[in-house]
Amino acid sequence: EPEVTQTPSHQVTQMGQEVILRCVPISNHLYFYWYRQILGQKVEFLVSFYNNEISEKSEIFDDQFSVERPDGSNFTLKIRSTKLEDSAMYFCARDVSGNTIYFGEGSWLTVV
Amino acid sequence: SQQGEEDPQALSIQEGENATMNCSYKTSINNLQWYRQNSGRGLVHLILIRSNEREKHSGRLRVTLDTSKKSSSLLITASRAADTASYFCAHQKIQGAQKLVFGQGTRLTINP
Repeated sequence: EPEVTQTPSHQVTQMGQEVILRCVPISNHLYFYWYRQILGQKVEFLVSFYNNEISEKSEIFDDQFSVERPDGSNFTLKIRSTKLEDSAMYFCARDVSGNTIYFGEGSWLTVV
Repeated sequence: SQQGEEDPQALSIQEGENATMNCSYKTSINNLQWYRQNSGRGLVHLILIRSNEREKHSGRLRVTLDTSKKSSSLLITASRAADTASYFCAHQKIQGAQKLVFGQGTRLTINP
């Protein structure tokens, strides 16, 4: 199974602070995604990133969120000014040929 | 109402029994994927079934898809304590981007 490594595994941040979550997928795959899961709830789509551009984003993905692939390898999700309701598990995912989507282990974000 | 609904929401069975979880969706799909999630952990991909397929097997897992009823089922045979987890179905629509739409999940508990 193609690996997706996410860092940090857990981060606690104060409300209003900026957070950057990182994902290191194996190269040579074009589609990347960020999803989130609020504790006890279902997994929600945030954004898809194709060929170094956002291809689709959800209503959750407002101006506080941004994604980048700054060095062609790492894939980052930035939350500019965190809110309490941003507390969730954030998953990076990648699309393997045949549409199978593999997820990373996730990054727990706790906003206090 | 939300797209992607699983039932039951929770299922508790004895080790060795079979577990069946169901999933429904509302739109035309390209494929449907099943995932397992242990508490607080990442999403593990189990099986992908395409819209032109009716049944797939992988080890002790059997997935069916009925596109006329817009439903899918996941059967785990000869359950083990290690199968205790939450199980999610997620579908990709025919049109639009590649994002997955997740259901609420079924919490499966296997009692030794």
